[in-house]
Amino acid sequence: EAGVVQSPRYKIIEKKQPVAFWCNPISGHNTLYWYRQNLGQGPELLIRYENEEAVDDSQLPKDRFSAERLKGVDSTLKIQPAELGDSAVYLCASSLDPSRAYEQYFGPGTRLTVT
Amino acid sequence: ILNVEQSPQSLHVQEGDSTNFTCSFPSSNFYALHWYRWETAKSPEALFVMTLNGDEKKKGRISATLNTKEGYSYLYIKGSQPEDSATYLCATSGTYKYIFGTGTRLKVLA
Repeated sequence: EAGVVQSPRYKIIEKKQPVAFWCNPISGHNTLYWYRQNLGQGPELLIRYENEEAVDDSQLPKDRFSAERLKGVDSTLKIQPAELGDSAVYLCASSLDPSRAYEQYFGPGTRLTVT
Repeated sequence: ILNVEQSPQSLHVQEGDSTNFTCSFPSSNFYALHWYRWETAKSPEALFVMTLNGDEKKKGRISATLNTKEGYSYLYIKGSQPEDSATYLCATSGTYKYIFGTGTRLKVLA
C-alpha cells in the first residue's frame, strides 16, 4: 500500500513569491491534515479536512495561506506571498476518518526555504 | 504542564550506549500518547501508541513507558546504533488532532 505522497520534496523561493504544495493521502483515508514544523519546534496543525470540507482551519494564517481538497482526495496548500518566516517543513498526514485521528500516517514533508 | 514538552532537545551518544528521553504532557483530558521516529527527508515513522497508565511497549531495542497520572512517557534505546540517529517526536492525541512536542534529536556516533 502506497503511503502519503507529497511534492515537491524541497522548494526554494524568494520572498513575495507564491508557492504550492501537493499531497495525495492514503487511498480510502477521508481525513487529511496539513502541519507546519518550524525549526526547533514540533509540527503544528494548520488545517484538517474531512472529505472535502475544512473542519478545523483555526491555525491557518488566512491572509496568505489557502488550501483546498477538491473531490475529497488530493489536497493543495498555497502560500501567496511567501515571507521569510514561512521557511519550514510542511507535513501532510491522513487517517481513515476523524475517529481514527490517533492513527495518522505522515508523508515525507516539503522543506520550504524562503530567501 | 500546558504543552507537550520533550527533553533533552538533542544528545550525542556513542555506539553501544543506552539512552532515554522524556516526554511530558498535560495529564488532564488525556487520550493517547504517540512516539514517532523521524529521519531527515523521510516520513515520520510510528513507533508506539499508548493509552493506559502503566503501559509498556517494546519494539526491538526500543521501548517506552507511560504514566498518565503524572503526565510523562519515557523512550528507551538499548545499545544505540548509528542507524538510530533521528529525531524522536512524541505527541498526544485528543479530539481529532495531535499536539506534538519539540522532539529530541539523537546522534549516535560510531
